[in-house]
Amino acid sequence: DTGVSQNPRHKITKRGQNVTFRCDPISEHNRLYWYRQTLGQGPEFLTYFQNEAQLEKSRLLSDRFSAERPKGSFSTLEIQRTEQGDSAMYLCAGSDSADQYFGPGTRLLVL
Amino acid sequence: KNEVEQSPQNLTAQEGEFITINCSYSVGISALHWLQQHPGGGIVSLFMLSSGKKKHGRLIATINIQEKHSSLHITASHPRDSAVYICAVRFFYGGSQGNLIFGKGTKLSVKP
Repeated sequence: DTGVSQNPRHKITKRGQNVTFRCDPISEHNRLYWYRQTLGQGPEFLTYFQNEAQLEKSRLLSDRFSAERPKGSFSTLEIQRTEQGDSAMYLCAGSDSADQYFGPGTRLLVL
Repeated sequence: KNEVEQSPQNLTAQEGEFITINCSYSVGISALHWLQQHPGGGIVSLFMLSSGKKKHGRLIATINIQEKHSSLHITASHPRDSAVYICAVRFFYGGSQGNLIFGKGTKLSVKP
């Protein structure tokens, strides 16, 4: 157990609906990363926070995606107007230095 | 083009066998990670390397910076080692944000 939690663990939604995922790193993690993993592939970087500041966004993060970390603790990732191509595992990772501690992931299925 | 290449993609072994998984990358890195992912999806960090060799139990990870290559070895493999093993690197050009670039993973199945 890395101490990083994600909710929900599974989400099934219909195309066009909005979904929101939450990540709770441990308090020492000043850095927080979101990754997306599709079937048979390694994870891909989406975005990164240093405390509450979102410092980097991947080109994978279309304008339908938004992430926040309002108090520099938990983070949310929202996907608006979901598409079937958004079906994936969404992973977050906390970091206090060089290593990263992954949460269990949220598996999204868009029907 | 994936800048991190792993081989093999799939590996089946008999219990007790010595296993090697390879990872190569394209440009200079500040760190390389070996991760383990079980079917439920959660990822566990096994090693973080910037040089040399690390050992933890039956797992050994080595890195050759000049050759841009790393290996993960499992000695006396066991069915509970069955998982996907992922190599991930932090490139120098990535600046200070530290996001990882991942290989596609090696799916290991150890038969009793």
